[in-house]
Amino acid sequence: AQSVTQLDSQVPVFEEAPVELRCNYSSSVSVYLFWYVQYPNQGLQLLLKYLSGSTLVKGINGFEAEFNKSQTSFHLRKPSVHISDTAEYFCAVSRPNFGNEKLTFGTGTRLTIIP
Amino acid sequence: KAGVTQTPRYLIKTRGQQVTLSCSPISGHRSVSWYQQTPGQGLQFLFEYFSETQRNKGNFPGRFSGRQFSNSRSEMNVSTLELGDSALYLCASSLVAGGLYTEAFFGQGTRLTVV
Repeated sequence: AQSVTQLDSQVPVFEEAPVELRCNYSSSVSVYLFWYVQYPNQGLQLLLKYLSGSTLVKGINGFEAEFNKSQTSFHLRKPSVHISDTAEYFCAVSRPNFGNEKLTFGTGTRLTIIP
Repeated sequence: KAGVTQTPRYLIKTRGQQVTLSCSPISGHRSVSWYQQTPGQGLQFLFEYFSETQRNKGNFPGRFSGRQFSNSRSEMNVSTLELGDSALYLCASSLVAGGLYTEAFFGQGTRLTVV
């Protein structure tokens, strides 16, 4: 079975500073990896995904993530954050299973942008 | 294209009652998954339906059940409500074509409060 660890439960960052949200996964087989964002009182919105191919994945809102198989990591980065990035971020993993994939989520990282 | 629609958005129920939540997936999506989100446990997978059949099930008691209709709309039922069932219930739909998984699209959730 796969699992996901988000190492930081809360990350405060000054506006316009860079940020990295860490995610490590555990799986004995190949994986699909995702980052979702949740704004207050909202559902989850997909930021980016890694299914195969290039290990550097670019997503919406200026976010990107790099799949590192040797370190089993999929850290999320943004070079310059804005107040509007304040939200909770979830890393998720699934095992490729011919359309029968099941997402396993990390515990989330609350990103707070300080003006 | 309309997104995933969950109704109602908010519910208040009394212990011992039962509740039914509804989810309408994105048009053409045949896979619907349900998740429970609480501050203590994070996002936990409840079950997934595909073409009216339950394909995957999480580790929840039998009080939690669901079904999917021929139009892919899904309902989730919780019987004999407990205080601990208070949570945000999220529904996600996926397009599964030719056994190829893409991504899960989430609704805004139903906030259930049990008093």
